[in-house]
Amino acid sequence: DAGITQSPRYKITETGRQVTLMCHQTWSHSYMFWYRQDLGHGLRLIYYSAAADITDKGEVPDGYVVSRSKTENFPLTLESATRSQTSVYFCASRGSGAFFGQGTRLTVV
Amino acid sequence: QQPVQSPQAVILREGEDAVINCSSSKALYSVHWYRQKHGEAPVFLMILLKGGEQKGHEKISASFNEKKQQSSLYLTASQLSYSGTYFCGTEIDFGNEKLTFGTGTRLTIIP
Repeated sequence: DAGITQSPRYKITETGRQVTLMCHQTWSHSYMFWYRQDLGHGLRLIYYSAAADITDKGEVPDGYVVSRSKTENFPLTLESATRSQTSVYFCASRGSGAFFGQGTRLTVV
Repeated sequence: QQPVQSPQAVILREGEDAVINCSSSKALYSVHWYRQKHGEAPVFLMILLKGGEQKGHEKISASFNEKKQQSSLYLTASQLSYSGTYFCGTEIDFGNEKLTFGTGTRLTIIP
């Protein structure tokens, strides 16, 4: 299917565990993004990537790691999850506008 | 730095008009507008490029004032389907497609 997909859709994890959120796009867009959405804060940029092997920090990168070995994939890893990382995470890729995945609701307990 | 949106929330009756504003402290290359329904992903509405253009999309249009680094989204004769949270996204540099979003404006349309 064409588009951008995220997995998993829902995840519950314990404090201190490593978690990886997956993002896959079929458009071959150069730019990809990870945002987190929290009430009152809107969409905050965590990391973005201009191309394979090129990544850069956004507004709230602490505690997160990204990689992009292939154009179509852009996984986000929480190295040691904390309760403050409980959020909805959106991956997006850029055409003329940004096209978002369905989101991953992550709960850290 | 996130752009600032106003108002934070607005309630309208069906058929009324609304204006949502987005301002930045930095010079902008482009402004995007998105709508997000509850429990769903944001959906791209339109992009306005540096140059002060105005764009339309059905009864939803937007303008970009380059001198003031402000954009406004206009919703005319609002319909129930317009309900949702509207976000502006800003791009500062041509060639760097980093997109920074505002905190959103929640629009509620009542019959």
